[in-house]
Amino acid sequence: GQQVMQIPQYQHVQEGEDFTTYCNSSTTLSNIQWYKQRPGGHPVFLIQLVKSGEVKKQKRLTFQFGEAKKNSSLHITATQTTDVGTYFCAGRGSGTYKYIFGTGTRLKVLA
Amino acid sequence: NAGVTQTPKFQVLKTGQSMTLQCAQDMNHNSMYWYRQDPGMGLRLIYYSASEGTTDKGEVPNGYNVSRLNKREFSLRLESAAPSQTSVYFCASSGQIFRTAEKLFFGSGTQLSVL
Repeated sequence: GQQVMQIPQYQHVQEGEDFTTYCNSSTTLSNIQWYKQRPGGHPVFLIQLVKSGEVKKQKRLTFQFGEAKKNSSLHITATQTTDVGTYFCAGRGSGTYKYIFGTGTRLKVLA
Repeated sequence: NAGVTQTPKFQVLKTGQSMTLQCAQDMNHNSMYWYRQDPGMGLRLIYYSASEGTTDKGEVPNGYNVSRLNKREFSLRLESAAPSQTSVYFCASSGQIFRTAEKLFFGSGTQLSVL
């Protein structure tokens, strides 16, 4: 079945440093989404990517979808303490309603 | 708008006991999902319901049953709880699968401990 791997599992950065998390699917995806979960909270939707090679930006966050639609990345420029949390990717295969989540990357930002 | 509401928020069970986790959404969404979250494992899909009247297994369905009672409600039942089912359970819904603006809305979660 469809599997989604995410690396790294943990990342500690100094405030102001950049951060990147990578997501890889075992199968081609119809789309990929990214979510953020603050400590003690629930996942909150950030963005969806649909097209091969798509790049989207939200302020300091840049999201990419691979050409083969099997991988994706999230890059945060100049991290802030408000970026603390766990970032998940979630992929949906073509013709299915199932969203399979990656294992998540837990980001800690040191002030 | 309450969004997705889960009850209870916390629950402690003894091994072998049964219980039902309730989930309701007020956004008129067609699709609903149950996930469990364990440290280092991310969110794993237990069951989902693409629309009212249908349910399908996800990645880890063993030990669970679900009921899509109506369009609003999707419950998760543990018939005989086991310590391996200790986890945080999230319900989610979406009204836009196969459309341009898909996103999952999550409830606040149920923290379940099985002793």
